[in-house]
Amino acid sequence: DARVTQTPRDKVTEMGQEVTMRCQPILGHNTVFWYRQTMMQGLELLAYFRNRAPLDDSGMPKDRFSAEMPDATLATLKIQPSEPRDSAVYFCASGFIGTNTGELFFGEGSRLTVL
Amino acid sequence: GNSVTQMEGPVTLSEEAFLTINCTYTATGYPSLFWYVQYPGEGLQLLLKATKADDKGSNKGFEATYRKETTSFHLEKGSVQVSDSAVYFCALSERSNFGNEKLTFGTGTRLTIIP
Repeated sequence: DARVTQTPRDKVTEMGQEVTMRCQPILGHNTVFWYRQTMMQGLELLAYFRNRAPLDDSGMPKDRFSAEMPDATLATLKIQPSEPRDSAVYFCASGFIGTNTGELFFGEGSRLTVL
Repeated sequence: GNSVTQMEGPVTLSEEAFLTINCTYTATGYPSLFWYVQYPGEGLQLLLKATKADDKGSNKGFEATYRKETTSFHLEKGSVQVSDSAVYFCALSERSNFGNEKLTFGTGTRLTIIP
């Protein structure tokens, strides 16, 4: 089965450290999304890409977060420096936009704990 | 902008009870509407969808009807099972000339079914 793969599944780090989360979208999908999930805020859209080009990253704190898609098989989300308030589950999702299905396929998430 | 408001949780029901989770939306155009489900420790997955007014989406015994006049997309199931325990997210997608764009999610409703 095709699936979105995220690494790491769990990450515990100390405040100030750099964190990089990786996502392998489903082959053939043209759109990749990064979401953050917390109990307080629910699901928040951080950034998304179409055909590897960033379309919207307005949900992302620009001073410490960056998102890239160096090739079609890899999307990255980097936090530098990390802070305790960044503790959350980060989800990557991919889809093929253009067929009007609207279905996104989510990875299992990367749980980040910043101490 | 577009937004989704869904029923506050948590919701606890006995097995075989009738389920309704309310969802209303605000949109400037003609969105597609979705219900996603998140089982413990997993990412979200599409449960059902409806792309135009009066459409009914259905899957696994769940149903939801796109009601444009009340801007609602309530999720229902006639007889819930313990395996339905999960978090349910209502979502809409903005439509553009290029097909559906990003999804806007509600805050999620945690459902627990007790035997």
